[in-house]
Amino acid sequence: QPVLTQPPSSSASPGESARLTCTLPSDINVGSYNIYWYQQKPGSPPRYLLYYYSDSDKGQGSGVPSRFSGSKDASANTGILLISGLQSEDEADYYCMIWPSNARRGVFGGGTKLTVL
Amino acid sequence: QVQLVESGGGLVKPGGSLRLSCAASGFTFSDYYMSWIRQAPGKGLEWVSYISSSGSTIYYADSVKGRFTISRDNAKNSLYLQMNSLRAEDTAVYYCARVDTAMVIDYWGQGTLVTVSS
Repeated sequence: QPVLTQPPSSSASPGESARLTCTLPSDINVGSYNIYWYQQKPGSPPRYLLYYYSDSDKGQGSGVPSRFSGSKDASANTGILLISGLQSEDEADYYCMIWPSNARRGVFGGGTKLTVL
Repeated sequence: QVQLVESGGGLVKPGGSLRLSCAASGFTFSDYYMSWIRQAPGKGLEWVSYISSSGSTIYYADSVKGRFTISRDNAKNSLYLQMNSLRAEDTAVYYCARVDTAMVIDYWGQGTLVTVSS
């Protein structure tokens, strides 16, 4: 199964923006996949945030603020979760996910622990 | 509202078996794909298995293929995971999750802890 690479940790101050990345292996083109993002706080199950394929094909989870948004950097083969106007409640682990090819074998990234300083 | 409630976790010896159940409510269970996802203590998420709405299509992660069996009973609004030949590395919280047509895992249960230890 492919490996999605996420930085183990990231930090930013309240009010700033956080850019979390999810890099796909070179044999999987980020442009061909939906990138799903999940947030998990300690002691709770994950929560769906959004998916991003393109600017015209994306979706936001129910109740997820618009300051959470997705994008891609094709040159880096990377999916991006941007959190603007950081709040203390955004401190959590964030996971990206894809469903490779036509198979329904999901793959999660290793997760990024976001600290809001 | 949508609810997914897992049960069946516990302590089991290496090589043993366990059957997890997930009771679904608040939606038309037979309309949705379902998945099991696990999380080892202090670790990240690992997708385990997927089953289509009718049960006709099933996929497994390589790490559990041949040992775990996913199934569902649409009449009982229930999802199952039969786990055989358990190993220490199967120790994790197991989440039952609903998958919508956009392949979004939109609802998760609270999870059930499986501990494999002698």
